Amino acid sequence: AQSVTQLDSQVPVFEEAPVELRCNYSSSVSVYLFWYVQYPNQGLQLLLKYLSGSTLVKGINGFEAEFNKSQTSFHLRKPSVHISDTAEYFCAVSAGAGKSTFGDGTTLTVKP
Amino acid sequence: NAGVMQNPRHLVRRRGQEARLRCSPMKGHSHVYWYRQLPEEGLKFMVYLQKENIIDESGMPKERFSAEFPKEGPSILRIQQVVRGDSAAYFCASSPGQGPPEAFFGQGTRLTVV
Repeated sequence: AQSVTQLDSQVPVFEEAPVELRCNYSSSVSVYLFWYVQYPNQGLQLLLKYLSGSTLVKGINGFEAEFNKSQTSFHLRKPSVHISDTAEYFCAVSAGAGKSTFGDGTTLTVKP
Repeated sequence: NAGVMQNPRHLVRRRGQEARLRCSPMKGHSHVYWYRQLPEEGLKFMVYLQKENIIDESGMPKERFSAEFPKEGPSILRIQQVVRGDSAAYFCASSPGQGPPEAFFGQGTRLTVV
């Protein structure tokens, strides 16, 4: 079984500042890792994914994440945020074919 | 290539009625997953289906909930005798079933039980 912990439920930040959204996971097997973004009343959009290979993964909208196996973390970062990045962000883990386990989400609020 | 299509987007039901939620996967995808999102919470897995088969229903409530993915047509999530606690957003995702488990999500159906 897998579990995901998103360490911050809310992250307020000023526009053009850097941001890090933290995600830790636990699993007894190798996993795939994902970050999704959800805008109000919308579905989930994939930001980036770690499947294998390089531990630094680049995604859409200037986001990137680093897989750290020893710390079982997959933190999401962006060097300079925009107002339009205000949304809910979900970290997810999957052990293979089938279901993913999601964290409870982090609300990113970008203030002018 | 159309994405995952869910309908209706919004559904209002009175307590005791039935709710039917539909999901058409992306073209070429044979695997469908249903998730439920309660207010202020993350997504919780409900059920994983392939055509005509339920692969994993470990997240489905034992009563009133059922899901199917017939050979032809969309996947259906059915909730009988709805209660207020069923009010949530229900998301469907699909994947091709081969390769990494990247799933593509629909826009969701927001069920309100009054």
